[in-house]
Amino acid sequence: GESVGLHLPTLSVQEGDNSIINCAYSNSASDYFIWYKQESGKGPQFIIDIRSNMDKRQGQRVTVLLNKTVKHLSLQIAATQPGDSAVYFCAEKRGGNTDKLIFGTGTRLQVFP
Amino acid sequence: EPEVTQTPSHQVTQMGQEVILRCVPISNHLYFYWYRQILGQKVEFLVSFYNNEISEKSEIFDDQFSVERPDGSNFTLKIRSTKLEDSAMYFCASSEAGKGNQPQHFGDGTRLSIL
Repeated sequence: GESVGLHLPTLSVQEGDNSIINCAYSNSASDYFIWYKQESGKGPQFIIDIRSNMDKRQGQRVTVLLNKTVKHLSLQIAATQPGDSAVYFCAEKRGGNTDKLIFGTGTRLQVFP
Repeated sequence: EPEVTQTPSHQVTQMGQEVILRCVPISNHLYFYWYRQILGQKVEFLVSFYNNEISEKSEIFDDQFSVERPDGSNFTLKIRSTKLEDSAMYFCASSEAGKGNQPQHFGDGTRLSIL
């Protein structure tokens, strides 16, 4: 169930280091953003979300930053662990009368001991 | 923690045959979705469903596709006459609310292989 495209960007980090995964979104009208984690053979797992009226939101070991000026979203993972190895997707919901999420291409995070 | 469950995990079907993919959304959720992911490509929205009717659909969701909530727990996606290009992972998702910006929670998908 993971995105295994040849052009999937990969981030390799040492266990215990912090990870930063970036995402550029396309539509300035997008008002809601979600980060998902997808492990091999599984579906996208919700990590954290943020609304466009915020620029930062923190969860357990994760922080999402939203820069609307440059249409950029990032996911920071503190003290990265081997279990964090997965493909990470950002998804945006465009403002207005829509339900659908628009997914990015994904970033593969590899954590080395 | 409640989760979305999908069956089967893998479906192999001859081209031209009908296929039904099944999902049990999270029990207190009201909005239901189908997405698909062709190998090597992005996750793509197919359809959303609320109050027993389609709320929104993409251009992929043509008249070969249909969705149904046949009872109080199941949510199905039917493809009437499958094509080779329908081969993909199909994900079901659900959320408490739709346009109110609530997270969509996904199942682990059904891998559909069309021969």
